[in-house]
Amino acid sequence: GQQLNQSPQSMFIQEGEDVSMNCTSSSIFNTWLWYKQDPGEGPVLLIALYKAGELTSNGRLTAQFGITRKDSFLNISASIPSDVGIYFCAGTLPSQGGSEKLVFGKGTKLTVNP
Amino acid sequence: EADIYQTPRYLVIGTGKKITLECSQTMGHDKMYWYQQDPGMELHLIHYSYGVNSTEKGDLSSESTVSRIRTEHFPLTLESARPSHTSQYLCASSDSQGLEGNQPQHFGDGTRLSIL
Repeated sequence: GQQLNQSPQSMFIQEGEDVSMNCTSSSIFNTWLWYKQDPGEGPVLLIALYKAGELTSNGRLTAQFGITRKDSFLNISASIPSDVGIYFCAGTLPSQGGSEKLVFGKGTKLTVNP
Repeated sequence: EADIYQTPRYLVIGTGKKITLECSQTMGHDKMYWYQQDPGMELHLIHYSYGVNSTEKGDLSSESTVSRIRTEHFPLTLESARPSHTSQYLCASSDSQGLEGNQPQHFGDGTRLSIL
């Protein structure tokens, strides 16, 4: 099936540092989404991207939909301890017979040291 | 924040039992999904529904079944639970495609299932 390559797999940073993670694929995606998942909880939507080249911010988070539609990145500025969690990228492939399923990356586990 | 609810949050049960995981959403979303996720791993789609009386299998083969009799309700059933079914099950919903394109999926908090 389709695959998203998300990197890095894990990050250990100091509070206040900036963070960057990305997802790439050999396939073209219609939509890119970034989710954060805390332990024992469901993923929470952070940012949704709908157009190639789109750059969107949500507070200290910024994400971009790659111009080739095959990649996306998420930046977190001035990290704080509550940023700890697993970040997932997800994308929707061009519709096939009305089916619009999400494909998920394997996640980036972020640890922030106070 | 999305209003999608899953029960139970945790379930520990013996092999061979019949299990139903509940998922309800109050947003009137026509699309609903079930994912399976092992700890720290990615999500795998096991079932989805684009409306009442419509269900499809996802990318990951699963012995579970689903039904969609009402828009707001999308239960998942395991007829005879086995230890290999131990995992976290996440339900999600989304609205139909709008002007912005595909509407994002919103997730419940999941059911952590352990089969002894």
